[in-house]
Amino acid sequence: EAEVAQSPRYKITEKSQAVAFWCDPISGHATLYWYRQILGQGPELLVQFQDESVVDDSQLPKDRFSAERLKGVDSTLKIQPAELGDSAMYLCASSLVLAGEQYFGPGTRLTVT
Amino acid sequence: AQRVTQPEKLLSVFKGAPVELKCNYSYSGSPELFWYVQYSRQRLQLLLRHISRESIKGFTADLNKGETSFHLKKPFAQEEDSAMYYCALSGRSSASKIIFGSGTRLSIRP
Repeated sequence: EAEVAQSPRYKITEKSQAVAFWCDPISGHATLYWYRQILGQGPELLVQFQDESVVDDSQLPKDRFSAERLKGVDSTLKIQPAELGDSAMYLCASSLVLAGEQYFGPGTRLTVT
Repeated sequence: AQRVTQPEKLLSVFKGAPVELKCNYSYSGSPELFWYVQYSRQRLQLLLRHISRESIKGFTADLNKGETSFHLKKPFAQEEDSAMYYCALSGRSSASKIIFGSGTRLSIRP
């Protein structure tokens, strides 16, 4: 069964360093989402792509976060520089169409020291 | 403002007892409501959505627009129901994003 892949699964970095996460959605899924989930809270949407275009990045802290999906397939989320408050689980999800059922990856747990 | 509230962080019930996970929402317009579930060591996955009116794994949820609630119910809890449950909403347009509640951990005691 096809699944959303994410790497790395765990990342520890020092504050002020750069960090990047990768997501490979289910083949054929046009919509890709990046979420941040702080411990004890639900996922919060950071950015949503439709193919290679950004649909919603209103909650993305653009001074330090960037996301791209250059060929409309896999995607990278970058943080530079990382801050202590960025420690969280970063989830990627994909759906066949906009507003379709979302399939989640296993997440990347980021710890900033 | 759009908001989803799950008032219980933890709900513990005995096997065979009824379960009700509460969810209240705030939204101007007609939202679409969902329940997502995350079992131990597994990915977050969709459990059910109100428009499908399905019963999944014995769970049902009815949208009450008057009380702005979408509580998740199951008449007889099973041990395998132990998991983290998230209520979520989105607008009806295809560009609407999903907003999640903070989640309720359901623990079923044998």
